[in-house]
Amino acid sequence: AQRVTQPEKLLSVFKGAPVELKCNYSYSGSPELFWYVQYSRQRLQLLLRHISRESIKGFTADLNKGETSFHLKKPFAQEEDSAMYYCALSFPRTGGFKTIFGAGTRLFVKA
Amino acid sequence: GAGVSQSPRYKVAKRGQDVALRCDPISGHVSLFWYQQALGQGPEFLTYFQNEAQLDKSGLPSDRFFAERPEGSVSTLKIQRTQQEDSAVYLCASSPDGGIATSEQFFGPGTRLTVL
Repeated sequence: AQRVTQPEKLLSVFKGAPVELKCNYSYSGSPELFWYVQYSRQRLQLLLRHISRESIKGFTADLNKGETSFHLKKPFAQEEDSAMYYCALSFPRTGGFKTIFGAGTRLFVKA
Repeated sequence: GAGVSQSPRYKVAKRGQDVALRCDPISGHVSLFWYQQALGQGPEFLTYFQNEAQLDKSGLPSDRFFAERPEGSVSTLKIQRTQQEDSAVYLCASSPDGGIATSEQFFGPGTRLTVL
């Protein structure tokens, strides 16, 4: 069965420190993976997707098929990065597609 | 431009009451999703529409949950005979493409349902 696991509920780092939010997935086909972010009092929004191979707000994520992981990384955390982060897996299904989200990791960047 | 909107933003219902939650997707978006997000959890898939066709309703937890999108734009999620375990935030998302798993989803602000 398809599954997305984010092992950390809360991650607290100091400003300027590196940050890595872990995500592991279970899917037998070729995964489409995303990171969505929810800042305080804002709606859920896309941060980045693996197919784009882009860096957004200094964040990157690399798909590791061997380890079935899609960890989100940033070399120097900023206070404005404090938010809830969700890893998501999308796959084709019944003519459309379905998305499964992890439980989320709350990132707190301390001054 | 206008994003996805949902109404009401908050709903308190007595157990056994029926509720209807509305989603206005971004104009022209083909795909529409409903999710249920319990406290401390990620969004859980409920159902998916491509235009007016409901292609996947595998996530609806029981036959008390019903969703429709009759003209391929606005969608309504109806919950009959609400129970306390239905208390959650209900999120709607839309996507410009149909059937493309790499598409970005645009989320609404959610409706927080509390069943007493």
